[in-house]
Amino acid sequence: GENVEQHPSTLSVQEGDSAVIKCTYSDSASNYFPWYKQELGKRPQLIIDIRSNVGEKKDQRIAVTLNKTAKHFSLHITETQPEDSAVYFCAASINTGGFKTIFGAGTRLFVKA
Amino acid sequence: SAVISQKPSRDICQRGTSLTIQCQVDSQVTMMFWYRQQPGQSLTLIATANQGSEATYESGFVIDKFPISRPNLTFSTLTVSNMSPEDSSIYLCSANPGTGAKDAFFGQGTRLTVV
Repeated sequence: GENVEQHPSTLSVQEGDSAVIKCTYSDSASNYFPWYKQELGKRPQLIIDIRSNVGEKKDQRIAVTLNKTAKHFSLHITETQPEDSAVYFCAASINTGGFKTIFGAGTRLFVKA
Repeated sequence: SAVISQKPSRDICQRGTSLTIQCQVDSQVTMMFWYRQQPGQSLTLIATANQGSEATYESGFVIDKFPISRPNLTFSTLTVSNMSPEDSSIYLCSANPGTGAKDAFFGQGTRLTVV
C-alpha cells in the first residue's frame, strides 16, 4: 500500500522567513496530493492541493511543487506569520472509486515573532 | 464543501465496554473513511466505509474490533469494541464527495479516553 514520508518532524523559523516541508510517496498510482493544517484541538483543514498532471501550484503565500518522477512533493510557505504555527500534514490520495487518503507523519511548525 | 457532524465529541469509557461514534454528512458522498489520531501523531486510516457492502479495513485493523456501518450515502458509524486503554485516541470520520472533488473533509473528531 501507499506510504508517505514527511520531513522535518519539527521546524522552527523566524517570522517573515520561509518554511519548506518535504514529502515522498511510494505508490506511483497516487495522483492527488493535498496538504492539511491542523491547529491544536481542531480537525485537519485543507490548505492547498496539487494534482499529478501539474508541477507547481501557488495560492498567496503558499505553494506546492510535485515531482512525479522522483515521487517528491513539497510545501513552501513564504513570509511566515505566527498564525502559521500548527501541524502540517502532507497526504497522497489514490483513486479507488473515490479517493483514499494516506497521511504523512506531520511537521510541527513554530513561527517565532 | 461538505459539512460533517460527528458525535460524541468526547467520552470517557470503562475498559471492556464499546462505544459507537456517528458521522452525518449534509450531502451524499461516495466515500467515507474512519481515521485514528493518537496524541501528537498523524492520522492513521482504519477503514473505508462502503455503502451497501462491508467496510474495507487497513492492515492492523479488524472488523471484530472496529465494526462499521454505512446504511446510506450520508451516514456512517464506527464502533470501538471491548475497549482497552490503548484505544484512547481521537477518532475522525472523513468524507470524499466523489471523483469530481478529491479532497477529504473531516468531522470534528471524537476524543475517547478508556479508563
